[in-house]
Amino acid sequence: AQSVAQPEDQVNVAEGNPLTVKCTYSVSGNPYLFWYVQYPNRGLQFLLKYITGDNLVKGSYGFEAEFNKSQTSFHLKKPSALVSDSALYFCAVRDGAGANNLFFGTGTRLTVIP
Amino acid sequence: DGGITQSPKYLFRKEGQNVTLSCEQNLNHDAMYWYRQDPGQGLRLIYYSQIVNDFQKGDIAEGYSVSREKKESFPLTVTSAQKNPTAFYLCASSMPLSGYGYTFGSGTRLTIV
Repeated sequence: AQSVAQPEDQVNVAEGNPLTVKCTYSVSGNPYLFWYVQYPNRGLQFLLKYITGDNLVKGSYGFEAEFNKSQTSFHLKKPSALVSDSALYFCAVRDGAGANNLFFGTGTRLTVIP
Repeated sequence: DGGITQSPKYLFRKEGQNVTLSCEQNLNHDAMYWYRQDPGQGLRLIYYSQIVNDFQKGDIAEGYSVSREKKESFPLTVTSAQKNPTAFYLCASSMPLSGYGYTFGSGTRLTIV
């Protein structure tokens, strides 16, 4: 069975400080991992994904995520937060063993404080 | 440009009426999905379709119905049997291969008055 956990409902960070949004996962096969961002009253926008290769993945808007197989984690990071980064962030996982659905975490609301 | 379009953006209906939300994609994706999002909550899967003329119930299918007569279209009907239909509805599409993520529409906010 697949599952995703985002342990923090809310993350607050000061503008200019580094930010981390946490995600852990569970799948049977190799994980295919994704991060999405949602702004108010909008759909989810793709940020980045890990399929294979380098554990550090770079994505849109200066975000990056690190795949850690031993800790089954895929935390989203950014070196310097902007107020405009304030949004709802979703982690998702797909089991690489076959064609099946994405499983989404419950989301983490990031607030960047000016 | 390829994309996925949901319409309308805002929808108001009286209690007891059925209402249909539109979702169209021109990405040539095989799979399409409907999610419901309530304030402060994550995404809950209503229905999904991996191929034309076939669809499966998700976690909260009761009170909803769908059809998939064309690859491009996956309309969702919210029936009067849905006890609390006021929510934000998101449609998504994908190729049913593990390396693909989903492309989302911009959502429809349904309010029952």
